[in-house]
This record gives sequence, structure tokens and C-alpha cells, in this order.
Amino acid sequence: QSALTQPASVSGSPGQSITISCTGTRSDVGGYNYVSWYQHHPGKAPKLMIYDVSNRPSGVSNRFSGSKSGNTASLTISGLQAEDEADYYCSSYTTSSTWVFGGGTKLTVL
Amino acid sequence: EVQLVQSGAEVKKPGESLRISCKGSGYKFTSYWISWVRQMPGKGLEWMGRIDPGDSYTNYSPSFEGHVTISADKSISTAYLQWNSLKASDTAMYYCARADWIGLDYWGQGTLVTISS
Repeated sequence: QSALTQPASVSGSPGQSITISCTGTRSDVGGYNYVSWYQHHPGKAPKLMIYDVSNRPSGVSNRFSGSKSGNTASLTISGLQAEDEADYYCSSYTTSSTWVFGGGTKLTVL
Repeated sequence: EVQLVQSGAEVKKPGESLRISCKGSGYKFTSYWISWVRQMPGKGLEWMGRIDPGDSYTNYSPSFEGHVTISADKSISTAYLQWNSLKASDTAMYYCARADWIGLDYWGQGTLVTISS
């Protein structure tokens, strides 16, 4: 079971939009709509930002949105803010009845 | 308020055993799975496995099967992660999280495990 593939880093200026990709296979991302995204600030517990590909939990800003096409899911953050600087991880259910995370993407707000 | 409170940091020697805990409150403990997630120093999150506290059904990532044991005591709303013989490579932060089909929606504060001779 391999980790999902994410870019190691992305960056953007305040107010801009960025997109983080998450590529898997038909056995995970492509086979299910159970894709979720997590924000992780160092030293704190991760936070669920998107579930079921594109749904936001209560309290999460609508600047965060998710989508999926084939074996690749994406997280888009619009109107970047300094507080968005963090590590982001995607996760998917798999055909082995397990979950798998992506390798993580470090977002830098310039 | 949903809370998951984990046991404190541990320092152990290679070969020793260890069990860390995760106590849930503010919700019906048996209605959600508990998953465990590892983060090694400077690395990403890794899903280790999960337990259904209602019936103690477990399943593990192939990367962790046979190396750790996940258990739960529903009478005290607590889940556990256990090692029988620790290795230096088990040094990491370990998180528990409440889980269902939507994902891991509430997380514990993390337990730092350090293995050193």
C-alpha cells in the first residue's frame, strides 16, 4: 500500500489561490469518494478540512474546496491568508478496507 | 464537547513494551471507530489502523500489521496502542482520532514516544 502522491511544497502570496494535487490509483482515490484533506500546523493536532472529496465540516472556511477527477483529488485554497501556512495531507479509503495518507505538502504563504 | 485525551510522553529502551492510551468523551464511544496515526520526526502522517470499540474489530495498514496491537475498553471509553518489543524506529508522535466514513474528525493531542538506549 503506497502513500498517495502530493507535491512536496507549494507557495502563494496573500490573496492568491493555490491548488494541491493528490494522486492515487483505482484502488483508492479513483475507486471511492472517501477522500479527505487535513491541515497540520507543527505542534498541533491535524484538522479535518474536507471530507467526501468536496464537503467542508462545520466551521471550516469556504475558502477551502475539494474536487476529484479520475485518480487525482485536489484541494484549492482561495484568498490565501498567513494562517493557512501549514502542512496539508490528503487521505483516501482503499480496496483493502484501510486508509492511506498522501506524503504531505508544505504550503508557504509568501 | 468531543474530546480525545491521550496519555503522556514516554521514554523507553529498545526491547521494552509499551501501551499508550486515548480516552474519548463528549460522544457515544461505541458509535465511531478510533484510528491511530504515526508521524515520525520530520516525516508525514501514516495511518496505522483502526478499531471499532463496539465489537473490538480491528484492521491494520500492512505496514504496521504484526508490529502493534490496537485494542479498546468500551467500559471506560479508552482505546490503546501497544508494542511488545520497541525499536528505535518506533520513535515518533502518535495520534489517535475519531473516525468514520467521512474521515478523522476529532484528534487527540498526540503522544510522543522516544526509544533510546
